[in-house]
Amino acid sequence: QVQLQESGPGLVKPSQTLSLTCTVSGGSISSGSYFWSWIRQPAGKGLEWIGRIYSTGNTQYNPSLKSRVTISVDTSKNQFSLRLISVTAADTAVYYCARVTMALQIAAPNYYYMDVWGKGTTVTVSS
Amino acid sequence: EIVLTQSPGTLSLSPGERATLSCRASQSISTSYLAWYQQKPGQAPRLLIYAASSRATGIPDRFSGSGSGTDFTLTISRLEPEDFAVYYCQQYGSFFGQGTKLEIK
Repeated sequence: QVQLQESGPGLVKPSQTLSLTCTVSGGSISSGSYFWSWIRQPAGKGLEWIGRIYSTGNTQYNPSLKSRVTISVDTSKNQFSLRLISVTAADTAVYYCARVTMALQIAAPNYYYMDVWGKGTTVTVSS
Repeated sequence: EIVLTQSPGTLSLSPGERATLSCRASQSISTSYLAWYQQKPGQAPRLLIYAASSRATGIPDRFSGSGSGTDFTLTISRLEPEDFAVYYCQQYGSFFGQGTKLEIK
């Protein structure tokens, strides 16, 4: 079955850029009706949706982060990536990648849900 | 942006009891867009319910979802020890509610 694995530096200095990659295995990032998402979770807090990308490159971002976030996809490597600029301590969190299934429905809105998650990677912003 | 508000923030119950968790949207959303997740400490969230009432693969039938418009509910009919966790609702595969912590009384 499809599995996701986050990778990237665990420590980033303030004002620098956080870059993470999510590798998709067990299936093609280009197949099916899926979005590929990033979510983060500061220690002891809830889940924050960062944004998502379709295999065509179409993106949607959380307005609260939009000015600092870029999500991109590399279909040749079966990966998608997160780039967050000008980080501060408030960006310290566990970062998850996830697959959003868009289940097509007849005569009804499509279903949307995150059915596959990576294990998460901890990123600390500190000098 | 639609805001999801979950209540209560913390729910204290005993194994065997029934749990009712609420998720209220700031405006009406399609049932197709509403999902529920369970998260245990140190783990990624797990999909429980999608389209407001459809159980995900492998989810026990003690978990059920209901609701429409702005009010949605996750019900756990008889709590098992492994059900004590944090639960999140989500809309449109994007924004989450703030979560409900289900703890052992």
